[in-house]
Amino acid sequence: GQQVMQIPQYQHVQEGEDFTTYCNSSTTLSNIQWYKQRPGGHPVFLIQLVKSGEVKKQKRLTFQFGEAKKNSSLHITATQTTDVGTYFCAEMKTSYDKVIFGPGTSLSVIP
Amino acid sequence: SQTIHQWPATLVQPVGSPLSLECTVEGTSNPNLYWYRQAAGRGLQLLFYSVGIGQISSEVPQNLSASRPQDRQFILSSKKLLLSDSGFYLCAWSARGLRQFFGPGTRLTVL
Repeated sequence: GQQVMQIPQYQHVQEGEDFTTYCNSSTTLSNIQWYKQRPGGHPVFLIQLVKSGEVKKQKRLTFQFGEAKKNSSLHITATQTTDVGTYFCAEMKTSYDKVIFGPGTSLSVIP
Repeated sequence: SQTIHQWPATLVQPVGSPLSLECTVEGTSNPNLYWYRQAAGRGLQLLFYSVGIGQISSEVPQNLSASRPQDRQFILSSKKLLLSDSGFYLCAWSARGLRQFFGPGTRLTVL
């Protein structure tokens, strides 16, 4: 079945460094959603991308959807300790709005 | 505004005991409802989803079951817990075609 993969699994950065996580699928995605889960917390929706080649920004976060709609990336500029957590990409299926999550990238920020 | 509640927040149960976790949503009607399980340091596994009262779809065969006795109530149950049932159980809701909102979760430890 279709799987959404994410790399890296873990990332440790110094505060102020940039961070990027990549999401890849073997099949074309209808959309891509990104969620953030703080340690001990629950996932929180960040953004959804739908169009091929779409780029959206939220302050220091930049989200991209690939031209072929098979990959996506989340880039954080100048990380802060508040960015710590696990970032999940996900696809919302058209059938019953099921959301299939990638395995996530866990980000640690060293102050 | 919409809110989602889960209880209990934490639970420690012996192997072989029954389980009942409850999730309720306020401020919306006819939501899609979902149960996820997250093992420690792992991704989100979709267990069940429901698009209406009494309608349950299972994603992963196991000793868990779900029920939706009311429009905004979703219950996860087990007759006999296994050690492997330990994890973080998350309930989520979505309106049609939109993002998912997660509840605070229940941390279940089976001893």
